[in-house]
Amino acid sequence: LAKTTQPISMDSYEGQEVNITCSHNNIATNDYITWYQQFPSQGPRFIIQGYKTKVTNEVASLFIPADRKSSTLSLPRVSLSDTAVYYCLVGDRGKAAGNKLTFGGGTRVLVKP
Amino acid sequence: NAGVTQTPKFQVLKTGQSMTLQCAQDMNHNSMYWYRQDPGMGLRLIYYSASEGTTDKGEVPNGYNVSRLNKREFSLRLESAAPSQTSVYFCASSAGTGGYTGELFFGEGSRLTVL
Repeated sequence: LAKTTQPISMDSYEGQEVNITCSHNNIATNDYITWYQQFPSQGPRFIIQGYKTKVTNEVASLFIPADRKSSTLSLPRVSLSDTAVYYCLVGDRGKAAGNKLTFGGGTRVLVKP
Repeated sequence: NAGVTQTPKFQVLKTGQSMTLQCAQDMNHNSMYWYRQDPGMGLRLIYYSASEGTTDKGEVPNGYNVSRLNKREFSLRLESAAPSQTSVYFCASSAGTGGYTGELFFGEGSRLTVL
């Protein structure tokens, strides 16, 4: 399984765009990249998933370059409520035998007023 | 729709005691997972079950056993609790025909303290 590396923490201010990059140098052909958000005392929740190029939904965008060895989660115009830990997860979406899905350390994002 | 339900939410044990954490999902998912999260740390996979009747070890399986009782339920057992097992335990599930299909749904967590 592809190991992921993320910055430990990032600070931002309300209204700014936050970009978090995840490195996954040994990503496999069938692997997808998924990002999760975790608030204190809660389980992580799904934000966005992609395979290549760019994916956008109502809360975030995910940029994946052609070599797929990294990905960047972009949170537009963050608010205080976006303060959380963000995890990048790489896994084979179609693997029939299940996946040993391992999380990295995550990035702790602090949004300041 | 309850999603993933974990019981108990809080538990205090003495060293050497045993207990079982229960997890149930009502989304008809095939795959289920148990993670632990120590304070200020990321999630570590203990065991997972790709489908009913199968279980596999994750990153940190020592000291734990699991049972995939049926498609809905996946339990985690500590046979002889140790202080190092003090943690928050999360159960998760995902859809698909036996594998990961993109989104993990997590329970609210079970906070275990071993004295």
